[in-house]
Amino acid sequence: QSVLTQPPSASGTPGQRVTISCSGSSSNIGSNSVNWYQQLPGTAPKLLIYNNNKRPSGVPDRFSGSKSGTSASLAISGLQSEDEADYYCTTWDDSLNGPVFGGGAKLTVL
Amino acid sequence: QVQLQESGPGLVKPSETLSLTCTVSGGSISGYYWTWIRQPPGKGLEWIGYVYSSGSTNYNPSLKSRVTISVDTSKSQFSLKLSSVTAADTAVYYCARGEQNPGGYYFDYWGQGAQVTISS
Repeated sequence: QSVLTQPPSASGTPGQRVTISCSGSSSNIGSNSVNWYQQLPGTAPKLLIYNNNKRPSGVPDRFSGSKSGTSASLAISGLQSEDEADYYCTTWDDSLNGPVFGGGAKLTVL
Repeated sequence: QVQLQESGPGLVKPSETLSLTCTVSGGSISGYYWTWIRQPPGKGLEWIGYVYSSGSTNYNPSLKSRVTISVDTSKSQFSLKLSSVTAADTAVYYCARGEQNPGGYYFDYWGQGAQVTISS
């Protein structure tokens, strides 16, 4: 049982816009910024979005993040086949005094 | 470009101690939170703990009694020891660099991962 709640799966067709949600509580998302990681099959996670909505160098602007209250979202526009991956949200939890992850959402490009 | 590389035994017997080392290259080890994260087969990510470059540590409460993470700045390495392992500790173990800024805390560089299987 993950501290942050994500849908287990999401899907879309090429070119579509897809969003993945991440729900938490006042001790985590409600008081700290959210980060998103992309994990392609058989590889290590890669930082996709940090500090709610910032993209590291090299991450396409098709990826965007937002946060409101105790929830956050990752949006992917212009969906491409290479976006098929697992996506994890994470943030700091003040009660745990450490970072917590969502259970991950598997994105399928139909 | 910062690179991290895990090393250590891929097979550990139940009740023994799992030991992994992460070697950091291409950047300074100072000023960051050097972190271990694991991923059981077919499951999500779990934070194990971190050691700051000064040597201070912070562990996941669920693993705290069995975990030790240390840093050797002279070798640009940090290490994980997990004692009394069981089959439930079978996972891919990742080392990662934790960055903290006024906006938040995140892992910006990751190792490729080390598969560790607990079996007799």
